[in-house]
Amino acid sequence: GDSVTQMEGPVTLSEEAFLTINCTYTATGYPSLFWYVQYPGEGLQLLLKATKADDKGSNKGFEATYRKETTSFHLEKGSVQVSDSAVYFCALGPSNSGYALNFGKGTSLLVTP
Amino acid sequence: GAGVSQSPRYKVAKRGQDVALRCDPISGHVSLFWYQQALGQGPEFLTYFQNEAQLDKSGLPSDRFFAERPEGSVSTLKIQRTQQEDSAVYLCASSVGQAYGYTFGSGTRLTVV
Repeated sequence: GDSVTQMEGPVTLSEEAFLTINCTYTATGYPSLFWYVQYPGEGLQLLLKATKADDKGSNKGFEATYRKETTSFHLEKGSVQVSDSAVYFCALGPSNSGYALNFGKGTSLLVTP
Repeated sequence: GAGVSQSPRYKVAKRGQDVALRCDPISGHVSLFWYQQALGQGPEFLTYFQNEAQLDKSGLPSDRFFAERPEGSVSTLKIQRTQQEDSAVYLCASSVGQAYGYTFGSGTRLTVV
């Protein structure tokens, strides 16, 4: 079945460092791909999305490109801030026969000053 | 409303008690989802409504879990005879449709003691 694999955390970076969080997926068809962020004590917020191969989603300095050939959707940011500390979830959109998002286990990011 | 509202924010239940968790989706959102998020894990799909119709309940872990959305707006997730393994954050999300982003509520943290 469809699944998402994210790199395990926690990831600890210094402020202004470059961030990559890896995400790969297994899916039938060509689902949309999403990154969600969860700040401490809050619900999930959509960070960015891509709906087809080679699409690049971007928001708040974060980017991810839908790579069909490598079945990946890695999240990147050129210069992280302390306020980016959160848990990041990669998610697969519904399959043709389903309705729900399929989430990875999440990657915790801590950015230190 | 402006966002998805869930209540209560926190719930402590004694083992064996019944609980009811409420979700107020964004007005006009046809799709409504319930997810269960265990500590340190990604959200796991429970059930999906399109208006008042429950189209998928394949994620409900047992027959102790029951969800309804009788008028196609507010939804209630009920858990009967709670067990310790039911302790988790229960997230509600709504959407205007599957092709669009999902807006999540802040969740209800259920602790069964």
